[in-house]
Amino acid sequence: AQSVTQLGSHVSVSEGALVLLRCNYSSSVPPYLFWYVQYPNQGLQLLLKYTSAATLVKGINGFEAEFKKSETSFHLTKPSAHMSDAAEYFCAVSDPGGTSYGKLTFGQGTILTVHP
Amino acid sequence: DGGITQSPKYLFRKEGQNVTLSCEQNLNHDAMYWYRQDPGQGLRLIYYSQIVNDFQKGDIAEGYSVSREKKESFPLTVTSAQKNPTAFYLCASKDGTSSNQPQHFGDGTRLSIL
Repeated sequence: AQSVTQLGSHVSVSEGALVLLRCNYSSSVPPYLFWYVQYPNQGLQLLLKYTSAATLVKGINGFEAEFKKSETSFHLTKPSAHMSDAAEYFCAVSDPGGTSYGKLTFGQGTILTVHP
Repeated sequence: DGGITQSPKYLFRKEGQNVTLSCEQNLNHDAMYWYRQDPGQGLRLIYYSQIVNDFQKGDIAEGYSVSREKKESFPLTVTSAQKNPTAFYLCASKDGTSSNQPQHFGDGTRLSIL
């Protein structure tokens, strides 16, 4: 069974500071990994995905994530936080196997607060 | 524009009542999913469907039912057997059967108990 752990349910940064949101996964096979962002009372929007190509993945809004197999991690970073980055972020894992039907297992989410 | 439409945005249920949440997509996606979101618990899968007239239970299917009579529609019924239905419900769809394709989400329906 797959699982995802997001370390830190709340992260607070100052505007212009580095954003680091942590995600560790557990999977018996090399997984596909996704980061989504959710603004209040809205659905989830895809930020980026890792699907076994380059280990450093660039996404929208200046975010990027690095897949580290040895650490089973897929942390999300952004060099300089903006007020508009304040939202909840979800890491998700999908089993590449044919019987998974593209199902996603989500972490519990990390709420990012950005202070002026 | 293509996308996923969930309606209504807010829904209230009385005790003992069944309610149905609508999910329509015009992305021509084969796969559709229903999730329940509770604060601090992430998203949990209720039901999913890969093709018309076929669907499977997810991790928390008890008290819910679905149908998939058309490719673009995947309604979710919250039955009276679901004792704690208050939550934010999200519908998603995905192109094809490959797991490397991302899911696309609607804007959700917030269900509350009267």
